[in-house]
Amino acid sequence: RKEVEQDPGPFNVPEGATVAFNCTYSNSASQSFFWYRQDCRKEPKLLMSVYSSGNEDGRFTAQLNRASQYISLLIRDSKLSDSATYLCVVNRDNYGQNFVFGPGTRLSVLP
Amino acid sequence: EPEVTQTPSHQVTQMGQEVILRCVPISNHLYFYWYRQILGQKVEFLVSFYNNEISEKSEIFDDQFSVERPDGSNFTLKIRSTKLEDSAMYFCAAKLAGETQYFGPGTRLLVL
Repeated sequence: RKEVEQDPGPFNVPEGATVAFNCTYSNSASQSFFWYRQDCRKEPKLLMSVYSSGNEDGRFTAQLNRASQYISLLIRDSKLSDSATYLCVVNRDNYGQNFVFGPGTRLSVLP
Repeated sequence: EPEVTQTPSHQVTQMGQEVILRCVPISNHLYFYWYRQILGQKVEFLVSFYNNEISEKSEIFDDQFSVERPDGSNFTLKIRSTKLEDSAMYFCAAKLAGETQYFGPGTRLLVL
């Protein structure tokens, strides 16, 4: 089993739609969790950290379920500029030394 | 957002040649990382570096790879004898004491 798995995608949605991405991780000792976005041929950029209580940043909401080892990202009112690959990232330890990336889920927001 | 820079942006080399990829993190960053991403695949961790030594490395980071921070500024990744399968995008990342890693724009390496 891969350490971090994500919805295979791609997701093609119209502008204004709500879209949800799922991610599961296998290492129960994982300490912290993030969503990054990656535009084509660019570097990953931090979208948001994921906290145990869930957190929201504008149109973006992240949830963490440690018991199920599951992370989600919800995007509301999607914009054309949201088109990118969304990477689920898990930090294995307390020291931030080893990020494990999921394969990513590609989102295309269509006009 | 703190900016990490990398040079060169693109590198083409012959198989068997040595390449050095450079990263310039923000001056007060403490932790440094190299990742690679083969075209169409996921981002893979290579190595982390703290306090002038390697703190963790993956199985990809074999004897052909080395890292150093020779002048306290640039953080370099050297591949001693490149192979075709080393062709990838190489990302440097850096962070302060917190968890957020900031990625550089990457170096696209093509081995012929």
